[in-house]
Amino acid sequence: GENVEQHPSTLSVQEGDSAVIKCTYSDSASNYFPWYKQELGKGPQLIIDIRSNVGEKKDQRIAVTLNKTAKHFSLHITETQPEDSAVYFCAASRGDFNKFYFGSGTKLNVKP
Amino acid sequence: EPEVTQTPSHQVTQMGQEVILRCVPISNHLYFYWYRQILGQKVEFLVSFYNNEISEKSEIFDDQFSVERPDGSNFTLKIRSTKLEDSAMYFCASNIPGDYGYTFGSGTRLTVV
Repeated sequence: GENVEQHPSTLSVQEGDSAVIKCTYSDSASNYFPWYKQELGKGPQLIIDIRSNVGEKKDQRIAVTLNKTAKHFSLHITETQPEDSAVYFCAASRGDFNKFYFGSGTKLNVKP
Repeated sequence: EPEVTQTPSHQVTQMGQEVILRCVPISNHLYFYWYRQILGQKVEFLVSFYNNEISEKSEIFDDQFSVERPDGSNFTLKIRSTKLEDSAMYFCASNIPGDYGYTFGSGTRLTVV
């Protein structure tokens, strides 16, 4: 089955700096890669996603890149703010109505 | 913004007891899921549900687990005889066909003592 690895497990940055979180996957049939943000006491919230027919997607300060050949994808957050502090999860799936395989999560701490 | 609602937020139960975790998915969603996260481990898939039947289940989802959608709005996960190792955060999620991303609920923390 699919195996998703995520790094780093913790990341501390200064407010205004950029943050990058990386994930690798093993199943070449995976074609959908979402990123979720989880704040304390809340469920995971979808922040951005990418399908395998696209190499990059951007939404304001966040972007995701996908390298299908190398089977890795990354989350980029620019101009970080304290409210970006949370746990971020990557995931991979085979698409519509398919289960997600999650990474182990990255705890991002943005210092004011 | 529509939400997936889970109750209770925290449940403590004695080993061997039955528990029912409840979820109200978003009203026009058709696909439903349960995931769980044991403390310090990855979020892992339990079961997916569509058209009033299980579509897929993981190895974790053994005979002690069951799901149902009793009234067209609630989606429940039942654990018949809880074990200590069932202690985890349980997340319900839902989505619509063609929309690959899920909306997750805020979770139920189950503690088996």
